[in-house]
Amino acid sequence: ETGVTQSPTHLIKTRGQQVTLRCSSQSGHNTVSWYQQALGQGPQFIFQYYREEENGRGNFPPRFSGLQFPNYSSELNVNALELDDSALYLCASSAHIVYGYTFGSGTRLTVV
Amino acid sequence: SQELEQSPQSLIVQEGKNLTINCTSSKTLYGLYWYKQKYGEGLIFLMMLQKGGEEKSHEKITAKLDEKKQQSSLHITASQPSHAGIYLCGADAGSEKLVFGKGTKLTVNP
Repeated sequence: ETGVTQSPTHLIKTRGQQVTLRCSSQSGHNTVSWYQQALGQGPQFIFQYYREEENGRGNFPPRFSGLQFPNYSSELNVNALELDDSALYLCASSAHIVYGYTFGSGTRLTVV
Repeated sequence: SQELEQSPQSLIVQEGKNLTINCTSSKTLYGLYWYKQKYGEGLIFLMMLQKGGEEKSHEKITAKLDEKKQQSSLHITASQPSHAGIYLCGADAGSEKLVFGKGTKLTVNP
């Protein structure tokens, strides 16, 4: 049973809209990362937060932003949605990379 | 930037057969993770390898890390339908960021 919970599980949005995806990490996991997985591809790193501060970013535009809260929850916000943003968004948390990452079940976002 | 190539892209085996999935990195591997994913779902952690020559096993799955070859392999013995899914290798690319391969889709026919 995963210790990382994501909501919602599925979401349909219209191009140009904004979306917020949520993740609840395991207690003690100070690091949370977000990944985008397009159909048939491996997950792509979006960004990472450590103790509520952005700690690394992948090749994604600024309209992808995030927040991490003291209660080990986090958010991924995407503004001005594009059709290509349709993907599975995965949240992963860890106490430290040497212990591996625990992934949530993901949020399937469809942009129409 | 680091890239991981997995082979084969897909694999269909008969139940009971052994199989191997390979993951080759464009750069030196400092940490290699294997995950399993059911279609459209989250990733399930299988194993993490950190040292060259390291080998780990869990039930019927064995993973090895060949640091010199910048390669890891995942071997499943006596496959079962429950092994079906997408297997992903991920590498520690620094700054606690993981880079993933595109995955290997495994089908096990009863």
